[in-house]
Formats: sequence, structure tokens, C-alpha cells
Amino acid sequence: KAGVTQTPRYLIKTRGQQVTLSCSPISGHRSVSWYQQTPGQGLQFLFEYFSETQRNKGNFPGRFSGRQFSNSRSEMNVSTLELGDSALYLCASRSNSDQETQYFGPGTRLLVL
Amino acid sequence: GESVGLHLPTLSVQEGDNSIINCAYSNSASDYFIWYKQESGKGPQFIIDIRSNMDKRQGQRVTVLLNKTVKHLSLQIAATQPGDSAVYFCAETPGTYKYIFGTGTRLKVLA
Repeated sequence: KAGVTQTPRYLIKTRGQQVTLSCSPISGHRSVSWYQQTPGQGLQFLFEYFSETQRNKGNFPGRFSGRQFSNSRSEMNVSTLELGDSALYLCASRSNSDQETQYFGPGTRLLVL
Repeated sequence: GESVGLHLPTLSVQEGDNSIINCAYSNSASDYFIWYKQESGKGPQFIIDIRSNMDKRQGQRVTVLLNKTVKHLSLQIAATQPGDSAVYFCAETPGTYKYIFGTGTRLKVLA
């Protein structure tokens, strides 16, 4: 089975721009979660989607949003980028159970200048 | 608030020695715990998990110990190899659909 894939792998944007990141989960997995990883804060939960519905959300401003498609692929969008949004954005998928292991993709490294 | 923490930000061990990475969790309601390994430039990779009805679980060269009394989790790596050099995270699940990750411990294997 192919693992979780994320595109693009690297991205450079300037302040004020917006960005869309994509994640394709493991085949058969219906849950997709997004995390922001920075050296200072570690892994912080953004949101989780299951069957096209957001079912859990972290403490991030409304500039961060996401969606999930019927094929379980997910996108996250960050609008009005700030310098502090520079981070590694990780996507993780799991099948159905709330206690099953999440499998992570390689991440998208975003640099905001 | 809820948190999962690691006592040692960096651990250096000699190749061939055993490594022990520790993690403290704060939510006594957590009933599922996971260790991840993250190599440079990659996403976290699942290593081993344990449920709260167990106190020990073994994998290939790795063992996870859970002490619910003091809310402590540890990862033991036997015969540490250069390829084990990475950052290791613990994670807990204090509720439905919720994961909390620790800040990570960097393991450096010395030749």
C-alpha cells in the first residue's frame, strides 16, 4: 500500500499570500488530520476530517481551514500568510477507529518571507 | 492544560548500547499511547503503541513501558544503531479523535 502523500513538498510564499496544501491518505483510510510542526512548539494539531466533515479542531485562527473530498483526499488552506506560519505541515491518516495509529506523510515545508 | 512532555531534549548513546527515552503525560484519562520516530526531512514514523490495559509491549529491538501510577511512558531501544538517530515523540490520546504529542527527544548515536 502506498503511504500518505503530500504535495508540494516545499513552498515559498510572501506575507499576505495564501497557500493550499494537499494530502492523499493511505488507500482505505477515511480520517485525515493536519498538524503544524515548528522547532519551538513541536507538533500542534490543526484539524481532522472524516467522511468530508471536520470532526475535531485545534486552537488555530480562522486563517487556517481545510476540507476533505469524497475520495478522502484533503486540502488545507492558509490565508493572509504571516512569517510565523513558516513550518512543516504534516498530514496523517488512519482508517476509522479513534484509537488506531495515525500514519504520517513526509510533510510540506512552508517558508513565508 | 493537557500536555505530554519529554524529560531529555537530547540523548547521546554509544552504538551498541541500549537507549531509554522517557515521556511524562498529564491526562489520566489517556488510554492509548504511541511512539513515533522522525528522521530529518521526513514525517513521523510509527514505532510502537501500547494500550492502558498493558504495562509493557515489545517490538523488534524496541520496548515500551507504561506506568499509569506516575503517568510515565518510556521507549527502550536495544543495541542502538546509527540508523536509530532521530527525534522520538510520544503521543497520548486523552479523548476521542484527539492526539497530543510531546516536544520530542533527539537521539544521537555515537560511533
